Amino acid sequence: DADVTQTPRNRITKTGKRIMLECSQTKGHDRMYWYRQDPGLGLRLIYYSFDVKDINKGEISDGYSVSRQAQAKFSLSLESAIPNQTALYFCATSDPGLADNEQFFGPGTRLTVL
Amino acid sequence: GQSLEQPSEVTAVEGAIVQINCTYQTSGFYGLSWYQQHDGGAPTFLSYNALDGLEETGRFSSFLSRSDSYGYLLLQELQMKDSASYFCAVYPNFNKFYFGSGTKLNVKP
Repeated sequence: DADVTQTPRNRITKTGKRIMLECSQTKGHDRMYWYRQDPGLGLRLIYYSFDVKDINKGEISDGYSVSRQAQAKFSLSLESAIPNQTALYFCATSDPGLADNEQFFGPGTRLTVL
Repeated sequence: GQSLEQPSEVTAVEGAIVQINCTYQTSGFYGLSWYQQHDGGAPTFLSYNALDGLEETGRFSSFLSRSDSYGYLLLQELQMKDSASYFCAVYPNFNKFYFGSGTKLNVKP
């Protein structure tokens, strides 16, 4: 079973709709992240959380919100989707106790906003 | 702020050696990582350098020079399955990574 899962894997929605992307992990990591990836660009950080009570904005948080429902669950919401939010979205986890600071990524959610 | 530069695309033949460079500017620095991503897939961790020098893991090696704000990923004995995008990422503080735009590696027979 995958350690980091994302649902849905693909989603097509319309401008103005509210949409939620979900991430779950079984790695027991406290740190969780949401990134977006656009063609030709690297991963850009949207939000990150170091525990259930800790939520922080990343580089590009405008238009997004998050919820950390439990250590294992971190959801990303688009309150009113717009076409330039069409992208590939990744959730990731990490453990600060690891010397190499490895991030473990989920399989991604491909979101299209029409 | 943070900025990272890496070539957008590199082509090499099977069996060859290829080096992917990464230069960075950051407000702080804890380390440099490399990730591999196949088309449509999730990024996967390859290496992390916190100190100057070369780290070797099988066919892949990663180098860091903190004084030059420079690192590279070296891939030896290239295989077709190495065709992918490779991202460098800096760790400027203890909270988060910043990723480069990625280098698409094309391995030809």
